[in-house]
Amino acid sequence: GAGVSQSPSNKVTEKGKDVELRCDPISGHTALYWYRQRLGQGLEFLIYFQGNSAPDKSGLPSDRFSAERTGESVSTLTIQRTQQEDSAVYLCASSLAGTGNYGYTFGSGTRLTVV
Amino acid sequence: SQQGEEDPQALSIQEGENATMNCSYKTSINNLQWYRQNSGRGLVHLILIRSNEREKHSGRLRVTLDTSKKSSSLLITASRAADTASYFCEVEGGSNYKLTFGKGTLLTVNP
Repeated sequence: GAGVSQSPSNKVTEKGKDVELRCDPISGHTALYWYRQRLGQGLEFLIYFQGNSAPDKSGLPSDRFSAERTGESVSTLTIQRTQQEDSAVYLCASSLAGTGNYGYTFGSGTRLTVV
Repeated sequence: SQQGEEDPQALSIQEGENATMNCSYKTSINNLQWYRQNSGRGLVHLILIRSNEREKHSGRLRVTLDTSKKSSSLLITASRAADTASYFCEVEGGSNYKLTFGKGTLLTVNP
C-alpha cells in the first residue's frame, strides 16, 4: 500500500484480556518499529525488526508484551493480560533500512484503552 | 541511545506569526529529523537534515543544525491554524538504529 497501515485504529478492552495489534509496513521496507505513546508523552521505543536479523526487544516493558514479524511484511504486537497502564497509542513505523537516511513512515496508530 | 529534547514544551502564537522550536542533543549524530503529530496519532515526517548540512528549507519550514552546539531549530513561517500539532525531533548517531524522540513541542496556532 501507499503507507503504513495499522489496525484496529481503536481498541477498548477489559483489564486482563489479551489484545493483538497489527502493522502492515510499506512494501519493501526492511525495518519496522513499534512505539508506544502515553497521553501527553513522547514516544517510547518497544521493538525493532530489521530484515531477517534477530529483533531488538529491549524496549518491551514486560514479558506480557511480544511481537512477531513475518519476513519483511506484517507485524503483530501482542499484549497479554492487559493492565490499565497499557492504555496508550501504539505506533508502527517502517523504513527502507535501519538508518535515518530514508526517513521513516509512521502509521496512524492504534489507540488502546484498557478499562 | 541518545534523545533529542525539544524546547519549549508548549508554544502558543497567532496565525500569521512565525514559530520557532528547538531541539538539543548530547552526542554526535548522523542526521536529525523533525516530525509533526496531530491529535496523538501517527507522525508525519517533515524534514531530514544531515550532520554536514547547516540549513534546509521545505515550503514554510526552515531547519537549521548547529553541530558545535548540538542543537537544531525548526522555524515555521506565516503559521496557520492547521499547523497546530506536536513537533518532535529525532536524532540518530553512529550505528544506533533506534529512533529516539523527545517529548515534543506542542504548538497552538490561534486563528
